[in-house]
Amino acid sequence: GQQLNQSPQSMFIQEGEDVSMNCTSSSIFNTWLWYKQDPGEGPVLLIALYKAGELTSNGRLTAQFGITRKDSFLNISASIPSDVGIYFCAGSYNTNAGKSTFGDGTTLTVKP
Amino acid sequence: GAVVSQHPSRVICKSGTSVKIECRSLDFQATTMFWYRQFPKQSLMLMATSNEGSKATYEQGVEKDKFLINHASLTLSTLTVTSAHPEDSSFYICSARGGFGSYNEQFFGPGTRLTVL
Repeated sequence: GQQLNQSPQSMFIQEGEDVSMNCTSSSIFNTWLWYKQDPGEGPVLLIALYKAGELTSNGRLTAQFGITRKDSFLNISASIPSDVGIYFCAGSYNTNAGKSTFGDGTTLTVKP
Repeated sequence: GAVVSQHPSRVICKSGTSVKIECRSLDFQATTMFWYRQFPKQSLMLMATSNEGSKATYEQGVEKDKFLINHASLTLSTLTVTSAHPEDSSFYICSARGGFGSYNEQFFGPGTRLTVL
């Protein structure tokens, strides 16, 4: 089946630093989604990407849909303490009953 | 928009009892709902896909008689953990799809923490 490799597994950064994380897949997707999950909460959708090469921003967050359709990255600029959490990528393909395949997550810690 | 609620948020039950978790899409009609299970510090594990008015589709290794899913309307799906045991203790999260953005966007509920004693 489809597999997603998300890296890095965890990051410890200083407030104000930029962050980059990415996901690669063994097969193509036609939608890439990035979520953030706070402890004890459900994931919240941050950015959705629909076309290969697409670059989308949401405030300090920027994500891109890779040209090969097998990868995506998420950048966070000028990190702040509330960016702490687990970030998940998810890929979907329409013919898979709309199911998404999730990465294992990147745990972000921001030191003030 | 795209708000999904879950109830209860936390439940503690005795071994052998059954627990029902509700998932509602509050401001849109969800043609499909998904049920996930998440262990501490791990990713989301899809348990089943639920379409309104039809039987749920379970992922490999998930017992359908153990985890009963009912998708009675376009805004409500329920997961019942039958004869719960301590190993069923976990964080259960639902998501709903439909009505917003891409066909594939899922919007998650806040989760339900189940503890079986």
